[in-house]
Amino acid sequence: GNSVTQMEGPVTLSEEAFLTINCTYTATGYPSLFWYVQYPGEGLQLLLKATKADDKGSNKGFEATYRKETTSFHLEKGSVQVSDSAVYFCALSDRYSSASKIIFGSGTRLSIRP
Amino acid sequence: SQTIHQWPATLVQPVGSPLSLECTVEGTSNPNLYWYRQAAGRGLQLLFYSVGIGQISSEVPQNLSASRPQDRQFILSSKKLLLSDSGFYLCAWSVRGYVGANVLTFGAGSRLTVL
Repeated sequence: GNSVTQMEGPVTLSEEAFLTINCTYTATGYPSLFWYVQYPGEGLQLLLKATKADDKGSNKGFEATYRKETTSFHLEKGSVQVSDSAVYFCALSDRYSSASKIIFGSGTRLSIRP
Repeated sequence: SQTIHQWPATLVQPVGSPLSLECTVEGTSNPNLYWYRQAAGRGLQLLFYSVGIGQISSEVPQNLSASRPQDRQFILSSKKLLLSDSGFYLCAWSVRGYVGANVLTFGAGSRLTVL
């Protein structure tokens, strides 16, 4: 079945540091890929998405590129801020199913020091 | 615009007591509906999803059940809670019939503590 593997957290960085959170997936079809973010005390919200190979999703300075050859969708940001402190989830869904199960990784907690 | 409501936001229940968490969506019709659980220190686990009234798919055998009595209402229930049912429960919806990047919109969550 489909699955998502994320790097273990927590990740602690200083403000303005470069961020990478690794995500790899296993899927039988051609999934769509997502990053969701959960700020403290809140539900999840979509950060960015990509629907096919070589697509790049971007939002709020974050980027992730759909790499089919390495089955990866790593999240990056060039200069993090304290307000980026949150839990980040990688997820996938089957592109060809409208009633898709959307599978999440285990989440990576990110803490940014001022 | 579409909104999703979950309640109660916080719940403390004794072991063996029943549970009912409710989720409603406004501003859309025929949504896909989902229940996820986020246990402490763990990721997001899909519990149930529904593509229509009375249609429930269960992902994990457990002490919980789900029902969809109306198009935009999704209820998570248990007859007898276990300690292991503690966690943060999230309801979500997505557009039905949209093939592709099926984006989820989440509610604010319900934190359940079983003592």
